[in-house]
Amino acid sequence: DAGVIQSPRHEVTEMGQEVTLRCKPISGHNSLFWYRQTMMRGLELLIYFNNNVPIDDSGMPEDRFSAKMPNASFSTLKIQPSEPRDSAVYFCASSITSGGYNEQFFGPGTRLTVL
Amino acid sequence: GIQVEQSPPDLILQEGANSTLRCNFSDSVNNLQWFHQNPWGQLINLFYIPSGTKQNGRLSATTVATERYSLLYISSSQTTDSGVYFCIPYTGGFKTIFGAGTRLFVKA
Repeated sequence: DAGVIQSPRHEVTEMGQEVTLRCKPISGHNSLFWYRQTMMRGLELLIYFNNNVPIDDSGMPEDRFSAKMPNASFSTLKIQPSEPRDSAVYFCASSITSGGYNEQFFGPGTRLTVL
Repeated sequence: GIQVEQSPPDLILQEGANSTLRCNFSDSVNNLQWFHQNPWGQLINLFYIPSGTKQNGRLSATTVATERYSLLYISSSQTTDSGVYFCIPYTGGFKTIFGAGTRLFVKA
């Protein structure tokens, strides 16, 4: 299996621009998680999906952030408009969640820089 | 929500030394996962361990859920072990909380 795939790996954009991050979970996994990592706040869970349905988006920092999972093999995290404080590494993870089992596997991350 | 405390926060080892990292958590858990974030930022699964002890090469982990802690043992440390070690205790739902991690540097 190729593991969790994220694209792009690096993104540099200017303040005010729209940014879209992409994630392909491991085939067969039914849960997907988006995380953000910064020096100041560490790793934070932004949102998670189960069977393509958003379960909890309480970690999403602002309305500028939105996430979708149109099917079991694809998810996006969008920031519109982007701000310099959004600069961080964004990780996607997936897992098989069943009967208490929920081992997560992480993608390589997208390093976002907003100028 | 569950609180996660990892210790020590920072650790410097001479190559070849052994070490124990600790993860304390405040609530009952039904599972726990250890990760290594290497210096390139990749998050690598080490163990998925609800209870008992597991071993993988030079690394082993023990979780005592009834006492709300888990330990990660690193034996004969190597420079490639450097990075940050995180534990995630799972309480049964989907929400995951990362601790601050233990930052390890292994000197050659």
